[in-house]
Amino acid sequence: GIQVEQSPPDLILQEGANSTLRCNFSDSVNNLQWFHQNPWGQLINLFYIPSGTKQNGRLSATTVATERYSLLYISSSQTTDSGVYFCAVGTFTGGGNKLTFGTGTQLKVEL
Amino acid sequence: KAGVTQTPRYLIKTRGQQVTLSCSPISGHRSVSWYQQTPGQGLQFLFEYFSETQRNKGNFPGRFSGRQFSNSRSEMNVSTLELGDSALYLCASSFGTDNSPLHFGNGTRLTVT
Repeated sequence: GIQVEQSPPDLILQEGANSTLRCNFSDSVNNLQWFHQNPWGQLINLFYIPSGTKQNGRLSATTVATERYSLLYISSSQTTDSGVYFCAVGTFTGGGNKLTFGTGTQLKVEL
Repeated sequence: KAGVTQTPRYLIKTRGQQVTLSCSPISGHRSVSWYQQTPGQGLQFLFEYFSETQRNKGNFPGRFSGRQFSNSRSEMNVSTLELGDSALYLCASSFGTDNSPLHFGNGTRLTVT
């Protein structure tokens, strides 16, 4: 199956700092999504981005499908950005969507 | 618009028992997927239902099963519970097409003692 690697595994930032999270995947995909899991366990969809670049406020994401990686940029980080960031990839096979998640990047933003 | 609703939020069961978890998708969404999250294995895909049909299944034993109703609500059942089944079970809904983002519920935290 598809392998998904995320880096770094852990990250500590001071409030206001910028960061880049990376997701590498081992095979062609037609579905890539970024999620944020808050300290209460809720997974929030940040981006659906199988290719190209998208921006949403202080967050942006870029996927280079031909090179099998995606980047999530967080600018001017805030304490509320703390949590785990997951990249998930999938292929629309058999008429269904099955996502494989990476192991995540644990982010802590400190004052 | 209401989000994905999972019930119950917390559950404590004993080994050997069975459990049923419920998921109500976002209105208009026809696909419901289930994932298991544990500290050791991370987030793993269980199965996906679309219009009452299972379209995809992960690598879990037959003790894990699910179904979807005509109103798109879904249930998953785990029979003969084992200690290793303790996990956060997350349900996600989407329109079910190739370019549909997944939206997750708050999860059900199952503890097996």
